[in-house]
Amino acid sequence: AQTVTQSQPEMSVQEAETVTLSCTYDTSENNYYLFWYKQPPSRQMILVIRQEAYKQQNATENRFSVNFQKAAKSFSLKISDSQLGDTAMYFCAFMKYGNQFYFGTGTSLTVIP
Amino acid sequence: ETGVTQSPTHLIKTRGQQVTLRCSSQSGHNTVSWYQQALGQGPQFIFQYYREEENGRGNFPPRFSGLQFPNYSSELNVNALELDDSALYLCASSPSRVGAEAFFGQGTRLTVV
Repeated sequence: AQTVTQSQPEMSVQEAETVTLSCTYDTSENNYYLFWYKQPPSRQMILVIRQEAYKQQNATENRFSVNFQKAAKSFSLKISDSQLGDTAMYFCAFMKYGNQFYFGTGTSLTVIP
Repeated sequence: ETGVTQSPTHLIKTRGQQVTLRCSSQSGHNTVSWYQQALGQGPQFIFQYYREEENGRGNFPPRFSGLQFPNYSSELNVNALELDDSALYLCASSPSRVGAEAFFGQGTRLTVV
């Protein structure tokens, strides 16, 4: 079974600062995909960033980047130059074949002006 | 906006009743997945439909059932509602290729009283 653990229920960061959200997962699969999704109060899950496990290079999307450590089964999200609009719940998710997500319990991020 | 729409947005039902939730998938997407998100938790996979056939199911009882139509829209039906069925129900649409990003709807908030 796949499990995803987010050990930080809540975090806060000053506007324009950098914050890192942690995620670990457990799987016996070798090929899989990892995602970070953002869920603002509007409830709609929005993709932040995606990583393919067979790629060693860490994914980046503008202010968002990941630190993917396959051997350690760790997939953290770094948000640089935090903005007020980044305030949301952030979910780490694992996907193998079949395109089914396994989500963590989420980290509530608050950006403080 | 992702192009995935869910209806209704909110619903209140009485224990023992039946409910049908609806989802219109994004254009070009032939796969629809349903997730249950209890308060303060990450989404849990219910089942997935691909080209009108169930293509995977999570740990949910048979009273959770679904359909996918030729236009790839989908329904989630829940019979004999229980208080613990109160949750946000999310629909996700994706193309069929492995590892593809999923686009989520805004969810249906179901309250069972």
